[in-house]
Amino acid sequence: DGGITQSPKYLFRKEGQNVTLSCEQNLNHDAMYWYRQDPGQGLRLIYYSQIVNDFQKGDIAEGYSVSREKKESFPLTVTSAQKNPTAFYLCASSDRTTPMNTEAFFGQGTRLTVV
Amino acid sequence: GEDVEQSLFLSVREGDSSVINCTYTDSSSTYLYWYKQEPGAGLQLLTYIFSNMDMKQDQRLTVLLNKKDKHLSLRIADTQTGDSAIYFCAESSWQAGTALIFGKGTTLSVSS
Repeated sequence: DGGITQSPKYLFRKEGQNVTLSCEQNLNHDAMYWYRQDPGQGLRLIYYSQIVNDFQKGDIAEGYSVSREKKESFPLTVTSAQKNPTAFYLCASSDRTTPMNTEAFFGQGTRLTVV
Repeated sequence: GEDVEQSLFLSVREGDSSVINCTYTDSSSTYLYWYKQEPGAGLQLLTYIFSNMDMKQDQRLTVLLNKKDKHLSLRIADTQTGDSAIYFCAESSWQAGTALIFGKGTTLSVSS
């Protein structure tokens, strides 16, 4: 089955540590995205990538980093510079071969908690 | 910049119709979307509408688009308890590589 997979589902991080959230898709989509969700805030865009080896900052990129070495994978690292990392993180992908329709497919999310 | 606004809460009784409203700012958006999120899960696409359409119906869902006022609504007929979830309105942003810009979500609570 084609889809987008995030792991782990739950992640705990000590203050001062970097952690990496995994996102893998087998939909052959060019574009991938990371969003952060906080209660009452909706989804805010962290980073996005339209093609392999290229990515751009979204609205709240500070304290985060990404890489896009393979089309299927778009891992997100939450660094110690992110002051308030506890949140629900959602990865998405879309097929840019149909540029007018940017329907995004979402993973099931990773809940990150700083302890 | 782009902005999408939604009311935060809606409470209805089972069997009634629900109407969730959304306003957006990017007049260049070609598609507008409604996503549903159940607790602890990712987002699921419910429906979308192309900007040259006024209305789209899909079973119990009706989407109305007023492009002049930049107003989008989602009507759910015969609302069921299983419809309880957060509903997000979204527009595509050409400035952000066609990433979707989401509203804050409307929490729909259905009571029996």
